[in-house]
Amino acid sequence: GQQVMQIPQYQHVQEGEDFTTYCNSSTTLSNIQWYKQRPGGHPVFLIQLVKSGEVKKQKRLTFQFGEAKKNSSLHITATQTTDVGTYFCAGPRRGAQKLVFGQGTRLTINP
Amino acid sequence: GAVVSQHPSRVICKSGTSVKIECRSLDFQATTMFWYRQFPKQSLMLMATSNEGSKATYEQGVEKDKFLINHASLTLSTLTVTSAHPEDSSFYICSAVGPTPGALWGTEAFFGQGTRLTVV
Repeated sequence: GQQVMQIPQYQHVQEGEDFTTYCNSSTTLSNIQWYKQRPGGHPVFLIQLVKSGEVKKQKRLTFQFGEAKKNSSLHITATQTTDVGTYFCAGPRRGAQKLVFGQGTRLTINP
Repeated sequence: GAVVSQHPSRVICKSGTSVKIECRSLDFQATTMFWYRQFPKQSLMLMATSNEGSKATYEQGVEKDKFLINHASLTLSTLTVTSAHPEDSSFYICSAVGPTPGALWGTEAFFGQGTRLTVV
């Protein structure tokens, strides 16, 4: 079945360092979404990418959608303690509204 | 963004009892609601898809008689864990999709706060 793989599973950085998480789908996606879940919280929608090769920025966060629309990345520049949490990518299951989530990347930061 | 309210946030129940969890979209009509289960430090596992006025669609391996889903209106879906056992202890989260205020695509999911169920 359709799978969305995300790496790394865990990432620990010093505050101020950059962070990147990668997402790969077994199938071509119509769009890819990114969510952030703070410890003890619920996933919060960050962004959706639709176009092949699309790049979007939200302050220190840069999101990319691959040319083949099968992979994506989230890059955080100069991490801050508020960036702590688990970042999930998700793609729609083919022919359905359902989202298939990656395993998530848990980011912890040493202040 | 849109607001989805989930209640209760925490519940402790005795083994063998049933627990109802509510998921409400407060400022939009959710055409579809989803129920997930999340184990500690793991991803979201989709349990079922709920559409208003129709039977829920369950994912493979999820017992529909164990996890009863009712979607009575475009703003409310409920998940009832029947005859709960300790292995049902988990974090249950709902999400809603629909034409939401401020949404650009209408396909992004808005999550409730989650319910931490502990069965003793």
